[in-house]
Amino acid sequence: DTEVTQTPKHLVMGMTNKKSLKCEQHMGHRAMYWYKQKAKKPPELMFVYSYEKLSINESVPSRFSPECPNSSLLNLHLHALQPEDSALYLCASTLQGATNEKLFFGSGTQLSVL
Amino acid sequence: AQKITQTQPGMFVQEKEAVTLDCTYDTSDPSYGLFWYKQPSSGEMIFLIYQGSYDQQNATEGRYSLNFQKARKSANLVISASQLGDSAMYFCAMRGYFGNEKLTFGTGTRLTIIP
Repeated sequence: DTEVTQTPKHLVMGMTNKKSLKCEQHMGHRAMYWYKQKAKKPPELMFVYSYEKLSINESVPSRFSPECPNSSLLNLHLHALQPEDSALYLCASTLQGATNEKLFFGSGTQLSVL
Repeated sequence: AQKITQTQPGMFVQEKEAVTLDCTYDTSDPSYGLFWYKQPSSGEMIFLIYQGSYDQQNATEGRYSLNFQKARKSANLVISASQLGDSAMYFCAMRGYFGNEKLTFGTGTRLTIIP
């Protein structure tokens, strides 16, 4: 199994809603990532978890709350989002986060905030 | 800090021709890794090729090769015999030695293959 699975594929939410994005991998990877990608822009790093501990937070607003309940699962909890948060949210994983390790990406969740 | 520059926002190439996508980078890390990813309209990021800063030979993966010129800080992707399915967005990315969990992307090049 060499896949990173993200659910849901599409999500529409209002600014007062609470929702969660889910990411799962069964490759034994210990570094997991959340990226945000606006249309026609490169992915921008949001969070990195290394061995289930948050190692990088790129000054992301608190309305985004990551969680890594175990080594296979990564969640992104969303609350009180703004329309400008509409984007493709990509999850990725890598074995340990070493320099030469490629990231395996999921197919993303396309989020629309109304 | 690391910086990746892709100066070609879009390219049109005839099918079966070779194409070179440009990437330059800047870093103060003593060692680093360079990656190329392809993103079709479906959204998934697909890994193409990797080059380590201390690798003596240029990386190759099937039709993909990386023209690595360390002194010039460039890591251009070469696609031989382009196919219609190569039409996509291509991102050059870099990970440094310090804070090496972070993968930083360039702005991308939109490649369109013309039949």
